[in-house]
Amino acid sequence: GDSVTQMEGPVTLSEEAFLTINCTYTATGYPSLFWYVQYPGEGLQLLLKATKADDKGSNKGFEATYRKETTSFHLEKGSVQVSDSAVYFCALSATYNFNKFYFGSGTKLNVKP
Amino acid sequence: GAGVSQSPSNKVTEKGKDVELRCDPISGHTALYWYRQSLGQGLEFLIYFQGNSAPDKSGLPSDRFSAERTGGSVSTLTIQRTQQEDSAVYLCASSPPGVADTQYFGPGTRLTVL
Repeated sequence: GDSVTQMEGPVTLSEEAFLTINCTYTATGYPSLFWYVQYPGEGLQLLLKATKADDKGSNKGFEATYRKETTSFHLEKGSVQVSDSAVYFCALSATYNFNKFYFGSGTKLNVKP
Repeated sequence: GAGVSQSPSNKVTEKGKDVELRCDPISGHTALYWYRQSLGQGLEFLIYFQGNSAPDKSGLPSDRFSAERTGGSVSTLTIQRTQQEDSAVYLCASSPPGVADTQYFGPGTRLTVL
């Protein structure tokens, strides 16, 4: 069945460091891919998405490219800030039931000043 | 505007008791989802409502779990005869018409079964 696997955390970085959080997926067909973020004390919110192969989603300096050949959707940011400290979830919506979502287990990011 | 709200924020119950968790979606949102997040795990899809269509219940883990959505708005997730493995954070999300792939999440209800 469809599933998402993302790197375990926590990830601890210094401010202005480069961030990569790995995400790979298993799915039939052509799912849409998402990154959601949960800031401390808040609900999950959509960070970015990509709906077809080679699409790049971007928002708030974060980027992720839909790579069908490697079934990956890695999240990157060139220079993290303390305010980026949060839990990041990779997710997909199933091709044949786009209302059904599969989430990864989340990766906690701690950014130190 | 107001976001998705859930109540209670925390619920502690004894094994074997029934619990009801409530979700108020964003006004005008036609789609509503329930998820469960166990400690250290990702979000597990439970059930999905879309307008007046029959709900997708494929994620409900057992017949002790049920959900309803009255008037296309408020939803209640009911867990009967709770077990310790039901302890988790239960999240509700809603989506506006025509934008099914963007979900707005509530803060969740943390359920602890003793």
